[in-house]
Amino acid sequence: NAGVMQNPRHLVRRRGQEARLRCSPMKGHSHVYWYRQLPEEGLKFMVYLQKENIIDESGMPKERFSAEFPKEGPSILRIQQVVRGDSAAYFCASSRDRLGTDTQYFGPGTRLTVL
Amino acid sequence: GEDVEQSLFLSVREGDSSVINCTYTDSSSTYLYWYKQEPGAGLQLLTYIFSNMDMKQDQRLTVLLNKKDKHLSLRIADTQTGDSAIYFCAEIGSGYALNFGKGTSLLVTP
Repeated sequence: NAGVMQNPRHLVRRRGQEARLRCSPMKGHSHVYWYRQLPEEGLKFMVYLQKENIIDESGMPKERFSAEFPKEGPSILRIQQVVRGDSAAYFCASSRDRLGTDTQYFGPGTRLTVL
Repeated sequence: GEDVEQSLFLSVREGDSSVINCTYTDSSSTYLYWYKQEPGAGLQLLTYIFSNMDMKQDQRLTVLLNKKDKHLSLRIADTQTGDSAIYFCAEIGSGYALNFGKGTSLLVTP
């Protein structure tokens, strides 16, 4: 059973470009979570999605950031018009059930560098 | 938001025990977790404990929970150089998201 897959592993963008980060959850998992890790910081929650639904986006910046988890295909975290402050590691996690009754398993992360 | 605090750095000698401590403020925490992160890698779930438990042991790992003081610890017995990594404490309460500490960097010296 493959783990949580994320791609790309590393992404370099210039200021003003768009970044698209992909996450494929573990097989059988229908709950996806995105977290951001700034340098020398812990992970901060961004958004929680189930198939075709955003359940909680309280950690997402109000502008430029969006997330989706379509019926088919991976979950996408999209950052428009990137700025240097968006440079971070973005981790996706998945769980079979809602967290608390099941455990979150993390992917290897996408490290975004904005030049 | 609720806070999770950890000491930032710990150094031990190979073969000794390591104890990594964590405090949290959310009194509604239901599960508490320990994750390990090696350089450039994702987070690996090490172990977790339900809030109505005091202790959980899993091979070289022992988790102790003092719910009254909101204190969690991870003990690694017979620490090896391969245990060098950043260890994150995390908790979840009634919400959906894990709330992480900033991580403790464990350095194991020969």
